Amino acid sequence: DTEVTQTPKHLVMGMTNKKSLKCEQHMGHRAMYWYKQKAKKPPELMFVYSYEKLSINESVPSRFSPECPNSSLLNLHLHALQPEDSALYLCASSLVSGANVLTFGAGSRLTVL
Amino acid sequence: SQQGEEDPQALSIQEGENATMNCSYKTSINNLQWYRQNSGRGLVHLILIRSNEREKHSGRLRVTLDTSKKSSSLLITASRAADTASYFCATDATAYNTDKLIFGTGTRLQVFP
Repeated sequence: DTEVTQTPKHLVMGMTNKKSLKCEQHMGHRAMYWYKQKAKKPPELMFVYSYEKLSINESVPSRFSPECPNSSLLNLHLHALQPEDSALYLCASSLVSGANVLTFGAGSRLTVL
Repeated sequence: SQQGEEDPQALSIQEGENATMNCSYKTSINNLQWYRQNSGRGLVHLILIRSNEREKHSGRLRVTLDTSKKSSSLLITASRAADTASYFCATDATAYNTDKLIFGTGTRLQVFP
């Protein structure tokens, strides 16, 4: 299995909702990442997990809460989001951390109403 | 802060022509990578070039790296309509934590049949 699977593909939520984005990989990768991408912009790093521990938080607002339950799973919990948080959220993984080659999922398109 | 900037921002060519896109970055690096992104999808890794390498080939792709000028170029030869996508360079930036892979601004390539 050489894929990173993200669910859901599309999510529409209100500003008072609580939702989660999920990411799964079975390649034995020990580093996992969340990126946020706005239209016609490059991906921006949000969080990095290395060996299931949070190693980087790029000063992301607390309404985004990452979780890494095990080495194969990565979640992003969403609460009280703003319309400007609407974006494509990309999960990626790499064998180990250290700016290695990333394998990306197809992304979750989030719309906040 | 953004590490890489790419030019041109957009490029339109005919099938069979070559496409060249450039990436400039600000700080010293360990390696530089190129990724492709089809519209609204995840990124796909194309090629990695290390700081001690000057040129690398992979199929129709040719990447050069000039660390003295802090720049890289990606050449796609004999382009095809299927090459239509956005192309991003990404650097690890030794001045930062190397868990970070920072993406350039991207070049949108359109190849007309």
